[in-house]
Formats: sequence, structure tokens, C-alpha cells
Amino acid sequence: DTEVTQTPKHLVMGMTNKKSLKCEQHMGHRAMYWYKQKAKKPPELMFVYSYEKLSINESVPSRFSPECPNSSLLNLHLHALQPEDSALYLCASTRTPGQGGEQYFGPGTRLTVT
Amino acid sequence: DAKTTQPTSMDCAEGRAANLPCNHSTISGNEYVYWYRQIHSQGPQYIIHGLKNNETNEMASLIITEDRKSSTLILPHATLRDTAVYYCIVLRTVNRDDKIIFGKGTRLHILP
Repeated sequence: DTEVTQTPKHLVMGMTNKKSLKCEQHMGHRAMYWYKQKAKKPPELMFVYSYEKLSINESVPSRFSPECPNSSLLNLHLHALQPEDSALYLCASTRTPGQGGEQYFGPGTRLTVT
Repeated sequence: DAKTTQPTSMDCAEGRAANLPCNHSTISGNEYVYWYRQIHSQGPQYIIHGLKNNETNEMASLIITEDRKSSTLILPHATLRDTAVYYCIVLRTVNRDDKIIFGKGTRLHILP
């Protein structure tokens, strides 16, 4: 199994809603990442988790709240988002933090904030 | 950060070799060069990486200059399915974590 799965594929939410994005991998990877990608732009790193602990937060607003309940699962909790937060949210994982190597990306969740 | 510079777009005829250049003149001695690609509406896909030697795998070849200031990704026999945005990345390790900072990439069009 060399797959990173993300659910849901699409999400539409209002500015007062609370929702969560889910990412899962069963490759035994111990580093997991959230990226945000606006249309026609490259992905931008948001958070890095190493061994289930948050290690990098790229100054992301607090309306985005990541969580790593176990080594296979990564969530991104969303609350009070703005329309400009509409984007493709990508999850990725890699085997060993800090050792380089290939990052495996999921297909993304396309989020629309109305 | 070691930044990368790539052409905005390139065309290549189907069946020909696609050569994608990348400049990374501020790369440090222990930083690797990675290439990813992103096909429309999909997540990025790893292609290849290298430090200073040339590398080849089933997808592509990576040629890194001796001074390591630039590299070229070679897709030996391009197909229409290779149409994508190709990102050249210098991988940074920060506090024992890896950071991929994507540049703008090269939009490669494979022409039939």
C-alpha cells in the first residue's frame, strides 16, 4: 500500500461552519504534512508533524487546527474560515523525518468557503 | 533558502526527449535536488532526486552540474501523459524536519 488517502474529495462550507479534513496512510511513515494550493500556484507548506508531534507551523492562522491522533492519521480542523481560504488542501507523508526521501502526496481536498 | 529558477513553460513533441532545466545557484553542499510533477487536479508526484551524481530511474534521468548550481531533468521519450507542471526543489532540513518549498515550476506541454 503506497497510497495517501484524503477525505472528503470536495467540501463546501460556510464561514461559520466547523469541518475537518482527514488524511490517512498505512505505509508506516512518521512524518506527515499539510499543504495549501491556490489555483495556478504551487503548493505552500502549512504544517509538519514528526512522530505525531507538531514540529513546523508556517505561521498558519489559528482557524486552521491540525491534529495527529496516531501515526497513520492526520486531521485538519477548520473553523470560521474566510472565502480566501478556498483552495486545494494536500496531505503528504514521508518515511523518516529529517532523512529526505520521497514525499507521497494524496489527491487533495478541494475546499470552497462561501 | 536555496531558491530554484525554472522556465515558466516548455513544449516538447511526443516521443522526443524533454529536457527541463533548473538553476539552484545558492544550494548548500548537503542539500539534495528533488523533482516532482503535478498533473492537473492531482497531488504532486515524486520523480527523482540527487546530490551530486547523475541519477536515473524508470521515469527520468537527473543531470547535476559539477558545481551543483544547476540541473536538468530528462524525460527520455515524452508522452501526452507527461503534460504537467514540473517542480525542481532543493530540500531543506530544519530542526531535523524536511521542508519542501515549491517554486513556480515549469508547465510542460507535450505536443502530439
